[in-house]
Amino acid sequence: AQTVTQSQPEMSVQEAETVTLSCTYDTSENNYYLFWYKQPPSRQMILVIRQEAYKQQNATENRFSVNFQKAAKSFSLKISDSQLGDTAMYFCAFRAAGNKLTFGGGTRVLVKP
Amino acid sequence: DAGVTQSPTHLIKTRGQQVTLRCSPKSGHDTVSWYQQALGQGPQFIFQYYEEEERQRGNFPDRFSGHQFPNYSSELNVNALLLGDSALYLCASSWGTGELFFGEGSRLTVL
Repeated sequence: AQTVTQSQPEMSVQEAETVTLSCTYDTSENNYYLFWYKQPPSRQMILVIRQEAYKQQNATENRFSVNFQKAAKSFSLKISDSQLGDTAMYFCAFRAAGNKLTFGGGTRVLVKP
Repeated sequence: DAGVTQSPTHLIKTRGQQVTLRCSPKSGHDTVSWYQQALGQGPQFIFQYYEEEERQRGNFPDRFSGHQFPNYSSELNVNALLLGDSALYLCASSWGTGELFFGEGSRLTVL
């Protein structure tokens, strides 16, 4: 069974600065996908970024980028130029065969003005 | 184009009762998954429906059951409610094994 661990319950960052969220996972699969989701107070899970395990290049989506270390089973998220709207819960998630997602426990990000 | 819609938004039940939650998938999607998110935790996979059949199931008791209709909408039923069933129930839809789109969830409180 896969497990996903987020070791930072809460992070705060000043507006316009950078914050990095940690995620580690455990799996025996070789082909899989990793995701970061954002959950604002509206409760809807929104996909931030995804990474295919077979790709060595780290994924980037505008101000969001990941550092994928497959051997270390690490998948961190960097939010650059933080904005007030980035305040939310962030979940790391793993997916192998099928469509089942395994989520971590989440990290609360608070962006301060 | 409506996204994933869930109803009801909030509901309160008492222990032992039964509850039905509903989900309409995003237009063009044929697969529906359900997740339980306890307060302060990450979502846990309950089950997934495709072609009106349960295709995958997480570690949840038989009190949790579901259904998918020919129009791809889905229901989650929970029988004999326990206090520990209090949670946000999220529905997600996809086209096959493509990207998941989530609804805003149904908040269930069991008293």
